[in-house]
Amino acid sequence: GAVVSQHPSRVICKSGTSVKIECRSLDFQATTMFWYRQFPKQSLMLMATSNEGSKATYEQGVEKDKFLINHASLTLSTLTVTSAHPEDSSFYICSAGGGTYYEQYFGPGTRLTVT
Amino acid sequence: GENVEQHPSTLSVQEGDSAVIKCTYSDSASNYFPWYKQELGKRPQLIIDIRSNVGEKKDQRIAVTLNKTAKHFSLHITETQPEDSAVYFCAASLNTGNQFYFGTGTSLTVIP
Repeated sequence: GAVVSQHPSRVICKSGTSVKIECRSLDFQATTMFWYRQFPKQSLMLMATSNEGSKATYEQGVEKDKFLINHASLTLSTLTVTSAHPEDSSFYICSAGGGTYYEQYFGPGTRLTVT
Repeated sequence: GENVEQHPSTLSVQEGDSAVIKCTYSDSASNYFPWYKQELGKRPQLIIDIRSNVGEKKDQRIAVTLNKTAKHFSLHITETQPEDSAVYFCAASLNTGNQFYFGTGTSLTVIP
């Protein structure tokens, strides 16, 4: 399958600061990227869908002003957690689609800890 | 939106036995159903998928069945091995938008 990377793999930040997470598709052009959040021992919750060159579509209950998503190119999407708080601590995973119509390829995830 | 339910939440089997995980979905428009295996702290890995025009698909020890009328699909793992121990997630996807909606996960433990 296709290769998707995420950076950083782990990040610790202080409450009130902002954190940017990058998701890159390394060997194909991802027209669509998805951002998920996963709390310990829970499922992956879809946060938003981003299409290259357009605004992201957020799932119900996800604050678009808090979780800023940019998909400026076919190989890069970024998620910025603004004014992070301890309850934002989670495992954030991106996935990229566009190789085939159905499949998604997941990144390795970013562990965010807000102190 | 789509609602996917998954059972059981935990499952323990003896090595060599079979394991079955079941999922139901709510939106009859969903037409793609992947299954993912996730080890602790790692990315989900696709293990098998099925599209709505097929009732069953098999890949070695892993099979998936789909009942569109009842809106449920199941993962079957035969001859389980300790390395099958992980969390398994089902998902459903609609044709438009391509978003995946995941089930709540099943923690499978294969006892040697």
